[in-house]
Amino acid sequence: DAGITQSPRHKVTETGTPVTLRCHQTENHRYMYWYRQDPGHGLRLIHYSYGVKDTDKGEVSDGYSVSRSKTEDFLLTLESATSSQTSVYFCAISDDGQPQHFGDGTRLSIL
Amino acid sequence: SQQGEEDPQALSIQEGENATMNCSYKTSINNLQWYRQNSGRGLVHLILIRSNEREKHSGRLRVTLDTSKKSSSLLITASRAADTASYFCASYQGGSEKLVFGKGTKLTVNP
Repeated sequence: DAGITQSPRHKVTETGTPVTLRCHQTENHRYMYWYRQDPGHGLRLIHYSYGVKDTDKGEVSDGYSVSRSKTEDFLLTLESATSSQTSVYFCAISDDGQPQHFGDGTRLSIL
Repeated sequence: SQQGEEDPQALSIQEGENATMNCSYKTSINNLQWYRQNSGRGLVHLILIRSNEREKHSGRLRVTLDTSKKSSSLLITASRAADTASYFCASYQGGSEKLVFGKGTKLTVNP
């Protein structure tokens, strides 16, 4: 795999709790992305980053925040998790105009 | 919003047969990409075709692009059981760095 690690790989938590997912890369790629994947919806972009401290919203950003304090780490935070945020979350990395490389996902269940 | 829409949603074939998946998109593109996702794993980039190309080959994969019809097709020849996976098309939306995915075609190759 292209030097991208997601943690944790699985998490079960309760409604209302904060949750942070981490994406770590060793490829020094400029762009990092967070997606969620749900049956019937395919892959949808939550937020992405185009550099340290530079982020932008995606299609389904409500309820999520991100931070990128260094090139290799991109954090996704659910401030107060809801059941509708139960999903599989994927991180991806790329350079300008290049294909994206994906992590193996985090399966998040919110009860 | 979805940029690409794959057709069919599901496809089941016998080993050795060819599999064809289609993708339609909405806005103008610089390139179109195809990805594969094995069950429980992240997406893997297969092939990229640029807007000025009509056809591209990579091993048993053949991709075509018709920009006048805003459509692309992925052909897998002489399929194998290991080709069983979901296949997604994706393109960058409106010149941005946001890669937008279709909902995918689930391919099952029966031995």
